[in-house]
Amino acid sequence: GGIITQTPKFLIGQEGQKLTLKCQQNFNHDTMYWYRQDSGKGLRLIYYSITENDLQKGDLSEGYDASREKKSSFSLTVTSAQKNEMAVFLCASSIWGGNYAEQFFGPGTRLTVL
Amino acid sequence: GDSVTQTEGPVTVSESESLIINCTYSATSIAYPNLFWYVRYPGEGLQLLLKVITAGQKGSSRGFEATYNKETTSFHLQKASVQESDSAVYYCALGDRSGGSNYKLTFGKGTLLTVTP
Repeated sequence: GGIITQTPKFLIGQEGQKLTLKCQQNFNHDTMYWYRQDSGKGLRLIYYSITENDLQKGDLSEGYDASREKKSSFSLTVTSAQKNEMAVFLCASSIWGGNYAEQFFGPGTRLTVL
Repeated sequence: GDSVTQTEGPVTVSESESLIINCTYSATSIAYPNLFWYVRYPGEGLQLLLKVITAGQKGSSRGFEATYNKETTSFHLQKASVQESDSAVYYCALGDRSGGSNYKLTFGKGTLLTVTP
């Protein structure tokens, strides 16, 4: 088995601030993902990466940057936090099994912008 | 584009009653969809509940079942008799079998289920 660790668990920022969220996985999975979860809107894909140093934009990439410097880690940066923004950011990883890829999720980082 | 629509919550059911959470999908750019139900129990992370890779097949886990119906583009989640421990948020998701390492999921908005004693 393995585990996905996300830091920090809670993140409080100021409007306009650049904020970085980190994710580590020890599954040795190739692909990693960042999702944003808003109440009533489900999970929306921000960025994903299929290997070290690869980045692919999801549906919600505007306002975010990402970095995959190692296979085991994937960082997400909120480039300019929006006032009163509240959301949970989920990191996930997966490995292609031939027919599908099960995604394993971290516990999340809860963002609040004052 | 691709999308998933599921029962809007919250859904409240009494223990031992039956449950159905509806899920329909639109896979305009996917030749061979995979379908999943993920669940988030209180205080826990999101995890896979069940999956079906091929149309016409049924997946099952923890007493839940879902059948991948290509004709109706549906993947409804059912359970004959729910328990309090089934209280959670359930997400239907659509994947693309041709994706390889580029595999992505499209999620529904989630359905909050509360089972009362």
